[in-house]
Amino acid sequence: ETGVTQTPRHLVMGMTNKKSLKCEQHLGHNAMYWYKQSAKKPLELMFVYNFKEQTENNSVPSRFSPECPNSSHLFLHLHTLQPEDSALYLCASSPATSDLPDEQFFGPGTRLTVL
Amino acid sequence: GQNIDQPTEMTATEGAIVQINCTYQTSGFNGLFWYQQHAGEAPTFLSYNVLDGLEEKGRFSSFLSRSKGYSYLLLKELQMKDSASYLCAVRDSNYQLIWGAGTKLIIKP
Repeated sequence: ETGVTQTPRHLVMGMTNKKSLKCEQHLGHNAMYWYKQSAKKPLELMFVYNFKEQTENNSVPSRFSPECPNSSHLFLHLHTLQPEDSALYLCASSPATSDLPDEQFFGPGTRLTVL
Repeated sequence: GQNIDQPTEMTATEGAIVQINCTYQTSGFNGLFWYQQHAGEAPTFLSYNVLDGLEEKGRFSSFLSRSKGYSYLLLKELQMKDSASYLCAVRDSNYQLIWGAGTKLIIKP
């Protein structure tokens, strides 16, 4: 595997379910990100991890819970979601070194539908 | 507040040139990015500007004017595969990326 991978690619869940999204990067990067992408809206940054430490939580509801066990893996645990949480969830990574531009590399995303 | 503006949709003809504009108002500036996103796929990095001027990379060029809070992405010799959304993003003083909603580019034969 190369780049950034995400599983599952598609997920349908009820509002009472608990599920987890998984992201893995094979690039040796130090930072990982979760984004929410809704139709015709800007990417919304949810969480940032630098060297496994969470450095950003952009007022995300507690029904979304991130976990970063090491610098290569990132999870997003979901529980009691709402229909408005239906969106594409993108994971990204970046080198997070002093070298610019420090661009982010994205995974293919998980298309989440909450019924 | 922080804001990135870009047109929602543009249409162009195969073989032609198109310019996608992006204006921004952010708390600080540490570079501007352009990404390409094909339908159902991940965004992929296209270009990065941190100083004023034009950066050319093959058929794609990106321009930045920091004093005007303005950038554009120029695509030449358009091909059908260039049909995609183009996302503008600015890195602010907190080193976070602020994203525009994207411009959907439709290429017609």
